[in-house]
Amino acid sequence: AQSVTQLDSHVSVSEGTPVLLRCNYSSSYSPSLFWYVQHPNKGLQLLLKYTSAATLVKGINGFEAEFKKSETSFHLTKPSAHMSDAAEYFCVVPLKAYTGFQKLVFGTGTRLLVSP
Amino acid sequence: GAGVSQSPSNKVTEKGKDVELRCDPISGHTALYWYRQRLGQGLEFLIYFQGNSAPDKSGLPSDRFSAERTGESVSTLTIQRTQQEDSAVYLCASTQGGKPTDTQYFGPGTRLTVL
Repeated sequence: AQSVTQLDSHVSVSEGTPVLLRCNYSSSYSPSLFWYVQHPNKGLQLLLKYTSAATLVKGINGFEAEFKKSETSFHLTKPSAHMSDAAEYFCVVPLKAYTGFQKLVFGTGTRLLVSP
Repeated sequence: GAGVSQSPSNKVTEKGKDVELRCDPISGHTALYWYRQRLGQGLEFLIYFQGNSAPDKSGLPSDRFSAERTGESVSTLTIQRTQQEDSAVYLCASTQGGKPTDTQYFGPGTRLTVL
């Protein structure tokens, strides 16, 4: 079954330094993968998605993620953190049920803390 | 245009009472999902509606939980005889189609507290 593992529950960076949020997936085939972001007291928002086209995916707010099949990874990166990036980030994979319905399976989340 | 809306934004109830949570999806979106997010945890899928098809209820944690949707519009999630472990944020999302690659648009959630 498809699943995702977010390796860090918390990541702390200083403003202006690079961001790396790690996600590994488990799947018998190349899945679609997503990153969603949840800012405090706000709804979840799609950051970017990989759908088996280009392996390097660019999202909103300067974030990007690279699908690496050999490493079964889909890490989220940003060259320079901004204070407004402080939020919870979720790596997500669709799970196909026997009914054919595909639901989203969310990782446990990584809280990004950005200090001045 | 308007996004997904949910009401109430906060609900405090006593153990054993029934609660009803409402979701208004984006107009024209055929698929609707309910999730539960416990404090400090990821999202837990509850139920999925796609058009007029039978809903996928595989994520409902117990028979105290039920949900309905009228056509492709409003959905209500009902929790009967609430328990303290039901305390969580309940999120609703809608998509234009039913494909896994469709972007899910989330509402702000309903924070449920069971005393």
